[in-house]
Amino acid sequence: GDSVTQMEGPVTLSEEAFLTINCTYTATGYPSLFWYVQYPGEGLQLLLKATKADDKGSNKGFEATYRKETTSFHLEKGSVQVSDSAVYFCALKAQGGSEKLVFGKGTKLTVNP
Amino acid sequence: DGGITQSPKYLFRKEGQNVTLSCEQNLNHDAMYWYRQDPGQGLRLIYYSQIVNDFQKGDIAEGYSVSREKKESFPLTVTSAQKNPTAFYLCATRQGDGYTFGSGTRLTVV
Repeated sequence: GDSVTQMEGPVTLSEEAFLTINCTYTATGYPSLFWYVQYPGEGLQLLLKATKADDKGSNKGFEATYRKETTSFHLEKGSVQVSDSAVYFCALKAQGGSEKLVFGKGTKLTVNP
Repeated sequence: DGGITQSPKYLFRKEGQNVTLSCEQNLNHDAMYWYRQDPGQGLRLIYYSQIVNDFQKGDIAEGYSVSREKKESFPLTVTSAQKNPTAFYLCATRQGDGYTFGSGTRLTVV
């Protein structure tokens, strides 16, 4: 079945450091890919998405590129801030009529001043 | 502002009791979902509904029940048959490829 694997955390960085959170997926065809962010005690917020190969999603300085050849959708940010501390989830929605978002286990990021 | 309201934010249940979690939306979205989140785990789908008066089981439906009598409302009942109900429950809606999540209900069995 469809699945998402993302790097295990926790990840701890200093402010202004470069961030990469790896995400790979298993799915047939061309799923839509998402990154969600969850702040403590809250629900999930969509961070960015990409719906076809080679698309780049971007938002708030975060970027991820849909790589069909490596089945990857790695999240990057050039300079993290303390306010970026949160849990990040990679997810996919299978091509076609699937109703389900399939999530990775999440990566907790802590950014220290 | 349009959005999803989940209530209560925190809920405590005694073993053997049923409890109902509320999810209300004013986004006019047809599809609604319930997910369960456990520490260190991703989200797992419990039930979903694509239209009023219809719903489907997700991956972990055992011990849960839902209803969809109105477009705006999709309550989730955690029954006594659910052996490990302590978790964070998230309601979501969908329009196209866009999913919107509520702020969640944390259920604790005491």
